[in-house]
Amino acid sequence: EVQLVESGGGLVQPGGSLRLSCAASGFTFSRNWMTWVRQAPGKGLEWVANIKQDGSEKYYVDSVKGRFTISRDNAKNSLYLQMNSLRAEDTAMYYCARGELPDYWGQGTLVTVSS
Amino acid sequence: QSVLTQPPSASGTPGQRVTISCSGSSSNIGSNYVFWYQQLPGTAPKLLIDRNNLRPSGVPDRFSGSKSGTSASLAISGLRSEDEADYYCAAWDESLSGLVFGTGTKVTVL
Repeated sequence: EVQLVESGGGLVQPGGSLRLSCAASGFTFSRNWMTWVRQAPGKGLEWVANIKQDGSEKYYVDSVKGRFTISRDNAKNSLYLQMNSLRAEDTAMYYCARGELPDYWGQGTLVTVSS
Repeated sequence: QSVLTQPPSASGTPGQRVTISCSGSSSNIGSNYVFWYQQLPGTAPKLLIDRNNLRPSGVPDRFSGSKSGTSASLAISGLRSEDEADYYCAAWDESLSGLVFGTGTKVTVL
């Protein structure tokens, strides 16, 4: 059974940093693109970033370029999202998902940016 | 930003057929597959329709997808109370080099 478990969310002040993690199991992690998607409270889904199987290609939505970094550790079956210079508008539930065009999703981790 | 346009809401009585539209452009729907996700209240999205019209294992055949040109649609036939959810379309966008989602449609069963 495919499982994706996010962690690392929490309350952070504007300008602060946070690192999200996603632990994957139930499939061959190293053979799949991985994706982060976020959803602001009461709003729709927004694609954030994705990363190729070997980490050689990474893509970001314009609003996070230069502030967020997606990475992975295939030996640990883990996906990461390093978020720096956080803004109030980054407040959202962050979902980890399998695939460049996601099929399985985790339950999400909530990031709140507020003073 | 949402590049794909959906109606904000749709509704029907149990047993009825409901259709949700998704309008895009040549850089997304017009040149790539469309996916549909169902998000039940308080839960993570779930893949409902894969590559325009394929149902993943476990998805009832009451759900069907189609695509024509730069638009797509999701149909729910034999509407049931458990179908009350938000529905999102999605497609890769060549111009943005990213995945774009629809604005979302809330389905209500009357």
